[in-house]
Amino acid sequence: NAGVTQTPKFQVLKTGQSMTLQCAQDMNHEYMSWYRQDPGMGLRLIHYSVGAGITDQGEVPNGYNVSRSTTEDFPLRLLSAAPSQTSVYFCASSPGTSRGYTFGSGTRLTVV
Amino acid sequence: QQQVKQSPQSLIVQKGGIPIINCAYENTAFDYFPWYQQFPGKGPALLIAIRPDVSEKKEGRFTISFNKSAKQFSLHIMDSQPGDSATYFCAASMRGGADGLTFGKGTHLIIQP
Repeated sequence: NAGVTQTPKFQVLKTGQSMTLQCAQDMNHEYMSWYRQDPGMGLRLIHYSVGAGITDQGEVPNGYNVSRSTTEDFPLRLLSAAPSQTSVYFCASSPGTSRGYTFGSGTRLTVV
Repeated sequence: QQQVKQSPQSLIVQKGGIPIINCAYENTAFDYFPWYQQFPGKGPALLIAIRPDVSEKKEGRFTISFNKSAKQFSLHIMDSQPGDSATYFCAASMRGGADGLTFGKGTHLIIQP
Protein backbone atom coordinates (compact mmCIF):
# COMPACT_ATOMS: atom_id res chain seq x y z
CA ASN A 1 0.00 0.00 0.00
CA ALA A 2 1.24 3.48 -0.88
CA GLY A 3 -1.12 5.02 1.70
CA VAL A 4 -2.13 8.63 0.98
CA THR A 5 -0.25 10.14 -1.95
CA GLN A 6 -0.18 13.89 -2.51
CA THR A 7 1.19 15.62 -5.59
CA PRO A 8 2.98 17.88 -6.16
CA LYS A 9 5.20 18.19 -3.06
CA PHE A 10 6.08 21.81 -3.82
CA GLN A 11 4.40 24.44 -5.99
CA VAL A 12 4.82 28.15 -6.63
CA LEU A 13 1.86 30.00 -8.14
CA LYS A 14 1.30 33.54 -9.22
CA THR A 15 -1.65 35.44 -7.80
CA GLY A 16 -4.77 34.68 -9.83
CA GLN A 17 -3.58 31.35 -11.21
CA SER A 18 -5.56 28.20 -10.62
CA MET A 19 -4.32 24.74 -9.85
CA THR A 20 -5.35 21.35 -8.50
CA LEU A 21 -3.66 19.58 -5.61
CA GLN A 22 -3.96 15.85 -6.10
CA CYS A 23 -4.73 13.32 -3.37
CA ALA A 24 -5.08 9.58 -3.86
CA GLN A 25 -5.41 6.71 -1.40
CA ASP A 26 -5.22 2.99 -2.09
CA MET A 27 -6.69 1.73 1.18
CA ASN A 28 -10.38 1.83 0.15
CA HIS A 29 -11.06 4.41 2.86
CA GLU A 30 -14.51 5.99 3.07
CA TYR A 31 -13.59 9.30 4.70
CA MET A 32 -11.24 11.84 3.16
CA SER A 33 -10.44 15.43 4.11
CA TRP A 34 -8.19 18.37 3.31
CA TYR A 35 -6.38 20.61 5.80
CA ARG A 36 -4.10 23.58 5.64
CA GLN A 37 -1.33 24.13 8.18
CA ASP A 38 -0.05 27.58 8.97
CA PRO A 39 2.53 28.48 11.66
CA GLY A 40 0.92 28.79 15.07
CA MET A 41 -2.53 27.87 13.70
CA GLY A 42 -2.53 24.10 13.85
CA LEU A 43 -4.34 22.33 11.05
CA ARG A 44 -7.62 23.72 9.77
CA LEU A 45 -10.23 21.71 7.90
CA ILE A 46 -10.98 22.92 4.37
CA HIS A 47 -13.34 20.28 2.93
CA TYR A 48 -14.27 16.71 3.73
CA SER A 49 -16.02 13.73 2.18
CA VAL A 50 -17.69 10.64 3.63
CA GLY A 51 -17.79 8.79 0.32
CA ALA A 52 -17.83 9.09 -3.45
CA GLY A 53 -20.17 11.83 -4.62
CA ILE A 54 -20.49 13.41 -1.14
CA THR A 55 -18.52 16.47 -0.04
CA ASP A 56 -19.00 19.21 2.52
CA GLN A 57 -17.32 22.38 3.73
CA GLY A 58 -15.04 22.60 6.71
CA GLU A 59 -13.81 25.58 8.71
CA VAL A 60 -11.98 27.45 5.90
CA PRO A 61 -13.55 26.53 2.53
CA ASN A 62 -13.46 29.91 0.77
CA GLY A 63 -11.34 29.88 -2.39
CA TYR A 64 -11.26 26.08 -2.62
CA ASN A 65 -13.37 23.48 -4.43
CA VAL A 66 -13.39 19.71 -4.14
CA SER A 67 -15.02 16.77 -5.83
CA ARG A 68 -15.04 13.04 -5.09
CA SER A 69 -15.94 11.07 -8.17
CA THR A 70 -14.18 7.90 -6.96
CA THR A 71 -13.37 6.42 -3.56
CA GLU A 72 -9.64 6.76 -4.24
CA ASP A 73 -9.28 10.38 -5.35
CA PHE A 74 -10.08 13.68 -3.65
CA PRO A 75 -8.54 16.63 -5.54
CA LEU A 76 -8.48 20.16 -4.10
CA ARG A 77 -8.86 23.02 -6.58
CA LEU A 78 -7.67 26.56 -5.98
CA LEU A 79 -9.83 28.73 -8.21
CA SER A 80 -7.83 31.97 -8.19
CA ALA A 81 -4.77 31.77 -5.97
CA ALA A 82 -4.13 34.50 -3.41
CA PRO A 83 -1.06 35.09 -1.20
CA SER A 84 -3.23 34.20 1.82
CA GLN A 85 -3.39 30.66 0.44
CA THR A 86 0.34 30.20 0.94
CA SER A 87 0.42 27.20 3.26
CA VAL A 88 1.18 23.51 3.64
CA TYR A 89 -1.77 21.39 2.54
CA PHE A 90 -2.46 17.92 3.89
CA CYS A 91 -4.88 15.31 2.65
CA ALA A 92 -6.05 12.53 4.96
CA SER A 93 -8.19 9.42 4.77
CA SER A 94 -9.93 7.13 7.26
CA PRO A 95 -11.58 3.72 6.93
CA GLY A 96 -14.58 4.83 8.95
CA THR A 97 -16.06 5.75 12.31
CA SER A 98 -13.48 6.22 15.10
CA ARG A 99 -10.82 4.46 13.02
CA GLY A 100 -8.30 7.32 12.74
CA TYR A 101 -7.02 9.32 9.79
CA THR A 102 -3.85 8.62 7.80
CA PHE A 103 -2.21 11.77 6.47
CA GLY A 104 -0.24 12.34 3.30
CA SER A 105 3.18 13.98 3.31
CA GLY A 106 1.80 17.36 2.27
CA THR A 107 2.07 19.94 -0.51
CA ARG A 108 3.93 23.15 0.23
CA LEU A 109 2.28 25.92 -1.78
CA THR A 110 3.62 29.44 -2.20
CA VAL A 111 1.53 32.12 -3.91
CA VAL A 112 3.48 35.19 -5.03
CA GLN B 1 -13.96 30.67 17.64
CA GLN B 2 -11.41 28.10 18.69
CA GLN B 3 -13.25 24.87 19.43
CA VAL B 4 -10.26 22.96 20.77
CA LYS B 5 -7.81 24.78 23.04
CA GLN B 6 -4.41 23.18 23.60
CA SER B 7 -1.72 24.00 26.15
CA PRO B 8 1.12 24.56 26.61
CA GLN B 9 2.42 25.90 23.29
CA SER B 10 5.88 24.56 24.06
CA LEU B 11 7.32 22.19 26.63
CA ILE B 12 10.82 21.10 27.59
CA VAL B 13 11.25 17.93 29.65
CA GLN B 14 14.28 15.93 30.73
CA LYS B 15 14.69 12.40 29.39
CA GLY B 16 12.64 9.98 31.47
CA GLY B 17 10.20 12.67 32.58
CA ILE B 18 6.45 12.66 31.90
CA PRO B 19 5.33 15.50 29.63
CA ILE B 20 1.63 16.31 29.91
CA ILE B 21 -0.28 18.16 27.20
CA ASN B 22 -3.79 19.39 27.86
CA CYS B 23 -6.78 20.11 25.64
CA ALA B 24 -10.22 21.52 26.30
CA TYR B 25 -13.26 21.59 24.05
CA GLU B 26 -16.64 23.30 24.01
CA ASN B 27 -18.75 21.30 21.57
CA THR B 28 -20.48 18.48 23.46
CA ALA B 29 -21.30 16.82 20.13
CA PHE B 30 -17.64 15.82 19.75
CA ASP B 31 -17.39 12.05 20.16
CA TYR B 32 -13.89 11.15 18.98
CA PHE B 33 -10.63 12.56 20.33
CA PRO B 34 -7.33 11.59 18.64
CA TRP B 35 -3.79 12.75 19.27
CA TYR B 36 -1.28 13.24 16.46
CA GLN B 37 2.51 13.49 16.40
CA GLN B 38 4.26 15.48 13.71
CA PHE B 39 7.96 15.66 12.87
CA PRO B 40 9.34 18.55 10.77
CA GLY B 41 8.57 18.17 7.08
CA LYS B 42 6.22 15.23 7.66
CA GLY B 43 2.49 14.75 7.86
CA PRO B 44 0.81 14.17 11.23
CA ALA B 45 0.72 10.55 12.43
CA LEU B 46 -1.99 9.10 14.65
CA LEU B 47 -0.71 8.24 18.14
CA ILE B 48 -3.72 7.27 20.16
CA ALA B 49 -7.44 8.12 20.28
CA ILE B 50 -10.30 7.90 22.76
CA ARG B 51 -14.07 8.07 22.83
CA PRO B 52 -15.95 9.90 25.64
CA ASP B 53 -17.33 6.72 27.21
CA VAL B 54 -13.80 5.84 28.38
CA SER B 55 -11.84 7.80 31.04
CA GLU B 56 -8.37 6.51 30.21
CA LYS B 57 -6.61 4.69 27.40
CA LYS B 58 -3.02 3.45 27.23
CA GLU B 59 -1.00 2.42 24.20
CA GLY B 60 2.62 1.72 24.94
CA ARG B 61 4.15 4.79 26.60
CA PHE B 62 1.24 7.05 25.61
CA THR B 63 -1.83 7.58 27.81
CA ILE B 64 -4.93 9.67 27.24
CA SER B 65 -6.93 10.82 30.25
CA PHE B 66 -10.45 12.03 29.51
CA ASN B 67 -12.76 14.07 31.75
CA LYS B 68 -16.16 14.33 30.08
CA SER B 69 -17.77 16.59 32.72
CA ALA B 70 -14.90 19.10 32.50
CA LYS B 71 -14.67 18.74 28.70
CA GLN B 72 -10.94 18.18 28.95
CA PHE B 73 -8.49 15.53 27.85
CA SER B 74 -4.75 15.16 28.15
CA LEU B 75 -1.81 13.21 26.75
CA HIS B 76 0.88 11.76 29.02
CA ILE B 77 4.12 10.35 27.65
CA MET B 78 5.80 7.92 30.04
CA ASP B 79 9.59 7.48 30.15
CA SER B 80 10.04 10.19 27.51
CA GLN B 81 12.95 9.90 25.09
CA PRO B 82 14.75 12.43 22.85
CA GLY B 83 13.10 10.71 19.86
CA ASP B 84 9.72 11.86 21.22
CA SER B 85 10.71 15.46 20.45
CA ALA B 86 8.04 16.60 17.98
CA THR B 87 4.91 18.71 17.71
CA TYR B 88 1.80 17.14 19.22
CA PHE B 89 -1.75 17.99 18.23
CA CYS B 90 -4.98 17.10 19.93
CA ALA B 91 -8.11 16.94 17.80
CA ALA B 92 -11.82 16.33 18.10
CA SER B 93 -14.56 15.28 15.77
CA MET B 94 -18.26 14.60 15.54
CA ARG B 95 -19.74 11.41 14.11
CA GLY B 96 -16.57 9.45 14.87
CA GLY B 97 -14.48 11.48 12.44
CA ALA B 98 -16.91 11.61 9.52
CA ASP B 99 -16.94 15.42 9.65
CA GLY B 100 -13.16 15.68 9.57
CA LEU B 101 -11.03 16.79 12.50
CA THR B 102 -10.87 20.03 14.50
CA PHE B 103 -7.32 20.49 15.75
CA GLY B 104 -5.73 22.32 18.64
CA LYS B 105 -2.87 24.66 17.76
CA GLY B 106 -0.17 22.21 18.78
CA THR B 107 2.52 21.75 21.43
CA HIS B 108 6.20 21.80 20.50
CA LEU B 109 7.82 19.22 22.79
CA ILE B 110 11.56 18.93 23.38
CA ILE B 111 12.99 16.04 25.39
CA GLN B 112 16.46 16.88 26.58
CA PRO B 113 19.01 14.03 26.90
